[in-house]
Amino acid sequence: EPEVTQTPSHQVTQMGQEVILRCVPISNHLYFYWYRQILGQKVEFLVSFYNNEISEKSEIFDDQFSVERPDGSNFTLKIRSTKLEDSAMYFCASRWGLQSEQFFGPGTRLTVL
Amino acid sequence: GQNIDQPTEMTATEGAIVQINCTYQTSGFNGLFWYQQHAGEAPTFLSYNVLDGLEEKGRFSSFLSRSKGYSYLLLKELQMKDSASYLCAVLNNAGNMLTFGGGTRLMVKP
Repeated sequence: EPEVTQTPSHQVTQMGQEVILRCVPISNHLYFYWYRQILGQKVEFLVSFYNNEISEKSEIFDDQFSVERPDGSNFTLKIRSTKLEDSAMYFCASRWGLQSEQFFGPGTRLTVL
Repeated sequence: GQNIDQPTEMTATEGAIVQINCTYQTSGFNGLFWYQQHAGEAPTFLSYNVLDGLEEKGRFSSFLSRSKGYSYLLLKELQMKDSASYLCAVLNNAGNMLTFGGGTRLMVKP
């Protein structure tokens, strides 16, 4: 069964460092998303991406964040200068159509020290 | 703005039926999703409602009333493995953003 994959599963970084979180969405999906979940809190939308551009972003997704689809398979989230409060689980998701199910990847746990 | 409310915790007995409610007030609506999330894992899809009424899928059913801004997830014949958080999420008009509620942590006891 096709699935969304994410690497790494856990990333530890120092405050102020750049991180890149990687995702491989399901191959025939057209819409891509990043969410985050701070420990013990709700899942929060960050950004959606379609047709090689951002289609929606939340207030959390400020200038420190960027997304890219560098080739036909990868979808990345970059945090330019990490802060302590960026520590969270980051989930990538993809879907085929607008009203179809979003499939979530297993997540990357980001720890900022 | 988006406001999605669910009870924080519920407890039920193995073999029983439990109903998890979700109310929402959102500026747009293009459907409501229910997800299950075990601790430390990703959300997994349970159901999607875009029209009023009941959708049944095995032991799980989900109901939607758009006029009342209300949905529920019904779990029948509870099993221990159903202990998890259940997340209600609303899709915006453009269909490009899911807003999640805080989740309901369900504990199933023997």
